[in-house]
Amino acid sequence: AQKVTQAQTEISVVEKEDVTLDCVYETRDTTYYLFWYKQPPSGELVFLIRRNSFDEQNEISGRYSWNFQKSTSSFNFTITASQVVDSAVYFCALSGLPRGGYNKLIFGAGTRLAVHP
Amino acid sequence: EAQVTQNPRYLITVTGKKLTVTCSQNMNHEYMSWYRQDPGLGLRQIYYSMNVEVTDKGDVPEGYKVSRKEKRNFPLILESPSPNQTSLYFCASKSTGVGLSNSPLHFGNGTRLTVT
Repeated sequence: AQKVTQAQTEISVVEKEDVTLDCVYETRDTTYYLFWYKQPPSGELVFLIRRNSFDEQNEISGRYSWNFQKSTSSFNFTITASQVVDSAVYFCALSGLPRGGYNKLIFGAGTRLAVHP
Repeated sequence: EAQVTQNPRYLITVTGKKLTVTCSQNMNHEYMSWYRQDPGLGLRQIYYSMNVEVTDKGDVPEGYKVSRKEKRNFPLILESPSPNQTSLYFCASKSTGVGLSNSPLHFGNGTRLTVT
């Protein structure tokens, strides 16, 4: 069965601190995709990144970086020099191979990040 | 602007009163889906549709119905709402063309439903 675990329910940091959000996944598929979504206080879901299982290169986008390690089944998300605008709920998600033309996106429970001035 | 539009954003209703949450996308996406978001549970899939007239159950379909008569629309119907259906609902869509089966989902802005 596929599963995504985000063990950190809530994280609170002070502005300019670095923070890492953990994501651990389970899947039997050899090909799969991992995603991160951001949900700001306004409620919408914003796509941040997608990685496939064959690409373990870390990715950096501005203050955001992602560390994908197949050996530990983890896809962690780090925000460097956090800002108040980073306050949101962050979801990690997993998608496997299509089955019958369909592949479901499995979400973790989310991590609520509060960045204080 | 490419978007998924849900209506209404907020809805308060009473137990047993039928309601429909509409969802429309303007990206010509084949795939559409409904999720509900509950604290501590993340997003769970209710129903999905691979294309017009093709729908199937997700993980938590009980108490819900959907239809896909047109490619752009995918309404969620609660025939007899109950308090345990109080939740935040999201509609999503994506393209499923060749090489796009794992493209990101595009989400609507959500509908917060309260059933009293």
